[in-house]
Amino acid sequence: AQSVSQHNHHVILSEAASLELGCNYSYGGTVNLFWYVQYPGQHLQLLLKYFSGDPLVKGIKGFEAEFIKSKFSFNLRKPSVQWSDTAEYFCAVNRNYGGSQGNLIFGKGTKLSVKP
Amino acid sequence: EAQVTQNPRYLITVTGKKLTVTCSQNMNHEYMSWYRQDPGLGLRQIYYSMNVEVTDKGDVPEGYKVSRKEKRNFPLILESPSPNQTSLYFCASSWSGGNKNIQYFGAGTRLSVL
Repeated sequence: AQSVSQHNHHVILSEAASLELGCNYSYGGTVNLFWYVQYPGQHLQLLLKYFSGDPLVKGIKGFEAEFIKSKFSFNLRKPSVQWSDTAEYFCAVNRNYGGSQGNLIFGKGTKLSVKP
Repeated sequence: EAQVTQNPRYLITVTGKKLTVTCSQNMNHEYMSWYRQDPGLGLRQIYYSMNVEVTDKGDVPEGYKVSRKEKRNFPLILESPSPNQTSLYFCASSWSGGNKNIQYFGAGTRLSVL
């Protein structure tokens, strides 16, 4: 079965530190890849997405992610985190059935705590 | 404003008392879905719907029902709630194909079953 693995359950960083959150998926076909963010007490919001083209995608608030097909990975990065980035981050994948959407499969999430 | 609206936001109920959580979207999306979020388990899909009158089970459908009589609405029904259904529930919607399949999420419904 298709699955999404996020390597870290909880990451604690100081402000200005660099961030990399790992995400690997198991499906070998054409996929669409997403990172969602959930700030405390709020719903999920799209951070960035990859459908095709340049494997380095830029999202909101200075986040970026790189799709490495050979590694089945889509890691999230930010050069310098802020206290306001404290949130839970979810990687998600769906299979692209020739343009039609498959179901979105989520990782278990990584909680990021940024110390001021 | 484009949005997915869930009601209620918070609900406390007792075992066995039927309840419905409503979900409505104003974006004319074909695809709608229900997830539950539990600590350490991420989001797991309960049911989804590709269009009106087309629904299918997700990963954790037991104990839930859905219906899709109109495009904009996708209610989640718990016929006989049990304590293991205490969770945070999210409804989401999207267009069904191509580059438009970004899912938009509702604000969530926190359910406690005593």
